[in-house]
Amino acid sequence: LAKTTQPISMDSYEGQEVNITCSHNNIATNDYITWYQQFPSQGPRFIIQGYKTKVTNEVASLFIPADRKSSTLSLPRVSLSDTAVYYCLVGDMDRDDKIIFGKGTRLHILP
Amino acid sequence: GAVVSQHPSRVICKSGTSVKIECRSLDFQATTMFWYRQFPKKSLMLMATSNEGSKATYEQGVEKDKFLINHASLTLSTLTVTSAHPEDSSFYICSATGTPNTGELFFGEGSRLTVL
Repeated sequence: LAKTTQPISMDSYEGQEVNITCSHNNIATNDYITWYQQFPSQGPRFIIQGYKTKVTNEVASLFIPADRKSSTLSLPRVSLSDTAVYYCLVGDMDRDDKIIFGKGTRLHILP
Repeated sequence: GAVVSQHPSRVICKSGTSVKIECRSLDFQATTMFWYRQFPKKSLMLMATSNEGSKATYEQGVEKDKFLINHASLTLSTLTVTSAHPEDSSFYICSATGTPNTGELFFGEGSRLTVL
């Protein structure tokens, strides 16, 4: 399972765009990249998933360069409620591989 | 999306007692479920992978006789913390992959265990 590396923490202000980058140098051909958000005392919840190039949904965008060794989660116009821990995971969706969480990025949004 | 529910959300018990935590997939069949433990301000640590109808696969360092996992049906997995001690106090979270597996993990709300 590919190991991921993210910044431990980030601060930003309300209304700003926030980009969190994740490194996954050993990503395998069949691996997808998935990002989760976790609030205190809650289970993580899915944000976005992608394989290559760019994926966008109603809450975020995910940018993946051609070599797929990194990915960037982009949160447009953050609000205080986006303060959470964000985890980047890589894994093969065609198999029920065990999912190992990295340390995640603790995002703190300031007013 | 698929819903995973955990019960209880909070439990307090005395040292030496056993506690059972249930994890249910409400609207899908979960062939595989994962159990995690999370300490304050730390990441989720995988404890075991639970497959319906077979024995769970435990991660290194996780005592299988202390953390009993049963996945008797496609919608229910249980984690029993046996002879709980204060150091077992933690936030326990289950998750499941959907059918078909889209790569998305569906997480329960978590269960906070406090052992006195």
